[in-house]
Amino acid sequence: EAGVVQSPRYKIIEKKQPVAFWCNPISGHNTLYWYLQNLGQGPELLIRYENEEAVDDSQLPKDRFSAERLKGVDSTLKIQPAELGDSAVYLCASSLESPEARAYNEQFFGPGTRLTVL
Amino acid sequence: RKEVEQDPGPFNVPEGATVAFNCTYSNSASQSFFWYRQDCRKEPKLLMSVYSSGNEDGRFTAQLNRASQYISLLIRDSKLSDSATYLCVVNKEDDYKLSFGAGTTVTVRA
Repeated sequence: EAGVVQSPRYKIIEKKQPVAFWCNPISGHNTLYWYLQNLGQGPELLIRYENEEAVDDSQLPKDRFSAERLKGVDSTLKIQPAELGDSAVYLCASSLESPEARAYNEQFFGPGTRLTVL
Repeated sequence: RKEVEQDPGPFNVPEGATVAFNCTYSNSASQSFFWYRQDCRKEPKLLMSVYSSGNEDGRFTAQLNRASQYISLLIRDSKLSDSATYLCVVNKEDDYKLSFGAGTTVTVRA
């Protein structure tokens, strides 16, 4: 079974330029996450989708970041305009969650997009 | 104070050695605990869940101390392939948000 797919794997842009990342979750997974990981740090949640609904975007810097998951499958994360401090790895993860389930369901991560802003 | 804190290491150990490290968490409402493994420039992958009674998975043993709010991971008979960063992860009951520590780097040398 294919894992979480992300593209591009690497992106180098100049500051103030826009950039977009794409994620295809594991087939059947209803929950999708975007994380940001800085060097030497753990991943930090940016946004979580349950199907097509963004249920937690409290950590998403909405002045420059936006995300969508229109059909409840693939998702894109956009930054416009990018700043030097946005250089990081952007990880997408997916899981199969049930509102009735109280147990944690494993999140599967994609390989990430490594963004460098010059 | 960060929600999850770990000793960043690195822990440099010879093959066959035992290495152990802890992480502490600040939110007493945390209910689920995990260790994730992240290889250099790769994505995190679930290594094991941590249960209240402690649990083993092969050479890996995880312990939870709720009173002191810390989790430990012990690796026995270290292999070169165990070299990685180990991320301590917690979440609260009914909350799918995971809080990651910054990771503990382990390097196993031949």
